[in-house]
Amino acid sequence: GENVEQHPSTLSVQEGDSAVIKCTYSDSASNYFPWYKQELGKRPQLIIDIRSNVGEKKDQRIAVTLNKTAKHFSLHITETQPEDSAVYFCAASREGGSYIPTFGRGTSLIVHP
Amino acid sequence: NAGVTQTPKFQVLKTGQSMTLQCAQDMNHNSMYWYRQDPGMGLRLIYYSASEGTTDKGEVPNGYNVSRLNKREFSLRLESAAPSQTSVYFCASSEFATMPFFGPGTRLTVL
Repeated sequence: GENVEQHPSTLSVQEGDSAVIKCTYSDSASNYFPWYKQELGKRPQLIIDIRSNVGEKKDQRIAVTLNKTAKHFSLHITETQPEDSAVYFCAASREGGSYIPTFGRGTSLIVHP
Repeated sequence: NAGVTQTPKFQVLKTGQSMTLQCAQDMNHNSMYWYRQDPGMGLRLIYYSASEGTTDKGEVPNGYNVSRLNKREFSLRLESAAPSQTSVYFCASSEFATMPFFGPGTRLTVL
């Protein structure tokens, strides 16, 4: 089955800095890579995703990159703000039918004012 | 439109007790899921139901049973709770070719 590794487990930055979270996956058949954000005590929520036919995708201060050859993908947050503080999960899945994502273990991002 | 609802929000059990976690969605989604979340372990799939009438095991199914009661409802049962089942349980649902949408979670403690 799929195995997703996520690093770092904790990331502490100053407000305004950039943050990068990296994930690797094992199943070469995976072709869809979503990212979820979970604020303290709340549900995980999908914030951005990328498909294998795309190398990069941006949404305001958030961007995701994918390197299919190396089987790794990353989340980049620029100009971090205190409200970005949360746990971020990467996941890998195959498109088609029901999506059954395999999640990484999560990264706790702390943005200091 | 409540999305995905879960009951109860919190529960404390003694070892050996049984209970059922309830989940319902009003988005007319076909697929439903149960995940557990433990510190440092991410979200691990317990069971999922691709459509009404079908259920399949996920990564960590031991000690759990599920019932897809109808299209809206998907319950998770612990027959004999163990301390290792202390966790936060999330139900989720999705439509074809979309990612799971999560409910608010149930925090379960087994003493």
